[in-house]
Amino acid sequence: AQKITQTQPGMFVQEKEAVTLDCTYDTSDPSYGLFWYKQPSSGEMIFLIYQGSYDQQNATEGRYSLNFQKARKSANLVISASQLGDSAMYFCAMRENLYGNNRLAFGKGNQVVVIP
Amino acid sequence: DAGVTQSPTHLIKTRGQQVTLRCSPKSGHDTVSWYQQALGQGPQFIFQYYEEEERQRGNFPDRFSGHQFPNYSSELNVNALLLGDSALYLCASSLDGGRRDEQFFGPGTRLTVL
Repeated sequence: AQKITQTQPGMFVQEKEAVTLDCTYDTSDPSYGLFWYKQPSSGEMIFLIYQGSYDQQNATEGRYSLNFQKARKSANLVISASQLGDSAMYFCAMRENLYGNNRLAFGKGNQVVVIP
Repeated sequence: DAGVTQSPTHLIKTRGQQVTLRCSPKSGHDTVSWYQQALGQGPQFIFQYYEEEERQRGNFPDRFSGHQFPNYSSELNVNALLLGDSALYLCASSLDGGRRDEQFFGPGTRLTVL
């Protein structure tokens, strides 16, 4: 069964605008972590932001924020003030059972193109 | 502080051949995970090495094997290559029990099987 679902088609966003990337997840484990990675055309996966299942507040890292809705099992990424360098694939990932298991399950990704 | 490095960058093989990919973890990290990313897909977990042993394994056949050395570097070996093994192979390192067990990825090795 798919654990991470990212279903949005490729997105075009105007420079300096905000963009929201959707991610829903499936787990019965009460302890898990959610990650967002950016993958530019070079291929390297770049860590953006992390949200733990027990974290009380939504995570923020600079221009990135995570809209964590635990009851809905969603973890949407918000990129504010888009820049041309934000054009990339964005992957949502989950790690279940935090202790003793740090394999990541990834979604299929969202393509973002920032236009000037 | 060097990040995760992988070699080679690109590789072309033919069906039936064997391939070895290499990964050096980020300084201070002791755990290495390998992922396969087919074109247009998210990465799929292959296996993870810690203390020179395979600790976890994803849904990959035995043709995929690995090794971790005392200096924490790692190799991924794939035998009897199939066309479907063509993918970007990503190595990720982390510190066991570290902050959120955050995984740092290398640039990947792009394998093409003809």
